[in-house]
Amino acid sequence: DIVVTQSPDSLTVSLGERATINCKSSQSVLDPANSKNYLAWYQQKSGRPPKLLISWASTRESGVPDRFSGSGSGADFTLTISSVEAEDVAVYYCHQYYSNPQGTFGQGTKVE
Amino acid sequence: QVQLVQSGAEVKKPGSSVKVSCKVSGDTFNNYAISWLRQAPGQRPEWMGGIIPIYRTSNLAQDFLGRLTLTLDESASTAYMELSSLRSGDTAIYYCASRDPYNFDYFAYWGQGMLVTVSS
Repeated sequence: DIVVTQSPDSLTVSLGERATINCKSSQSVLDPANSKNYLAWYQQKSGRPPKLLISWASTRESGVPDRFSGSGSGADFTLTISSVEAEDVAVYYCHQYYSNPQGTFGQGTKVE
Repeated sequence: QVQLVQSGAEVKKPGSSVKVSCKVSGDTFNNYAISWLRQAPGQRPEWMGGIIPIYRTSNLAQDFLGRLTLTLDESASTAYMELSSLRSGDTAIYYCASRDPYNFDYFAYWGQGMLVTVSS
């Protein structure tokens, strides 16, 4: 199984500050055949299901604010919130789907 | 806009079974391969299995083989997940999720979740 590890486990930021969450997989999730990274990011607010923010490591979903961005390749990825707003308080998960169908999630990063 | 609507919370005894429903509304049922994931309290989501209505084929995670059954009722645009031989470790919120007709890779659409509590 591909193990996905996020850092830090929690992050306290002030409004307007930048937040950076890291995600590392135990093996590369880059498919050299199509140059795609099989990595997604989700936001989960308390009592709600996860919400897809980013797929293919850096493709923002329709309707997701552009302060959210994803970067990285291979086994190292980053989710950046350029200027944190109050509504961004949530747990953020990275998710590798290279080992489709049984993808695996990171342990989550709580942003406060 | 598609919506996945799940059944309400249940409390179950150890050793019993639970059946969770997921109704697809707002779009054609066959347009969505349905994955089932669960999330124990304070834990990360875990993919359990998935079913593709167009092909009526399913794929189950190794950890759930022998305990998990996925079915469809196309007339009701509803997918079902049944988990048997429940134990306390199965206490979790169970989600259905999807993104397109064929893939179980990542998930753009989620049901609201159903809490299953296993307790004697």
